Amino acid sequence: GAVVSQHPSRVICKSGTSVKIECRSLDFQATTMFWYRQFPKQSLMLMATSNEGSKATYEQGVEKDKFLINHASLTLSTLTVTSAHPEDSSFYICSPRRTNYNEQFFGPGTRLTVL
Amino acid sequence: AQTVTQSQPEMSVQEAETVTLSCTYDTSESNYYLFWYKQPPSRQMILVIRQEAYKQQNATENRFSVNFQKAAKSFSLKISDSQLGDTAMYFCAFMNPLQGGSEKLVFGKGMKLTVNP
Repeated sequence: GAVVSQHPSRVICKSGTSVKIECRSLDFQATTMFWYRQFPKQSLMLMATSNEGSKATYEQGVEKDKFLINHASLTLSTLTVTSAHPEDSSFYICSPRRTNYNEQFFGPGTRLTVL
Repeated sequence: AQTVTQSQPEMSVQEAETVTLSCTYDTSESNYYLFWYKQPPSRQMILVIRQEAYKQQNATENRFSVNFQKAAKSFSLKISDSQLGDTAMYFCAFMNPLQGGSEKLVFGKGMKLTVNP
């Protein structure tokens, strides 16, 4: 149980384009979704928290207009990096929390490279 | 705000040996959860073990066990009989349960463990 998929696993895009990353909890419902960013050899940095059907709450320093998060259902959340620039190149990880459980599960991550 | 400190950035150990990873945290809360996560080269985060602060007994999961010292705010992970597959980044994490389910995990900086044959 507790399978999380993330798509795509890798994406390369040109500067100025937008990229959408999908995160699905395949065998459980997730009321809350966390999105993280991880630079090489560093820890996970929380970008935002979203609850199903509500607007996401962004961490300080994270541009909400640049990183659009949608959590329209209990099994799907998306992160859209708008007008991507090379400094947005990173590893993005989604982490759904199963409803009524104090445990987070993690997607396999998406490596974004912006040229 | 809670903080999690992993003071050892890197360790190496020989296969079959025992290794201990240290973690300290700072909080004024009395009820919380602590976790150790493993991130192998694939970068998939994997839960290794979790500990509820209200439980005095140290958590164990097969070759993995913790030494939870609540008063000292210390939460170390012991890996027995190290295997090559244990090579990974290890992250200590803290969570303070609140109402609403939006509790955040606070991660340490991580420690790179290499198990040598």
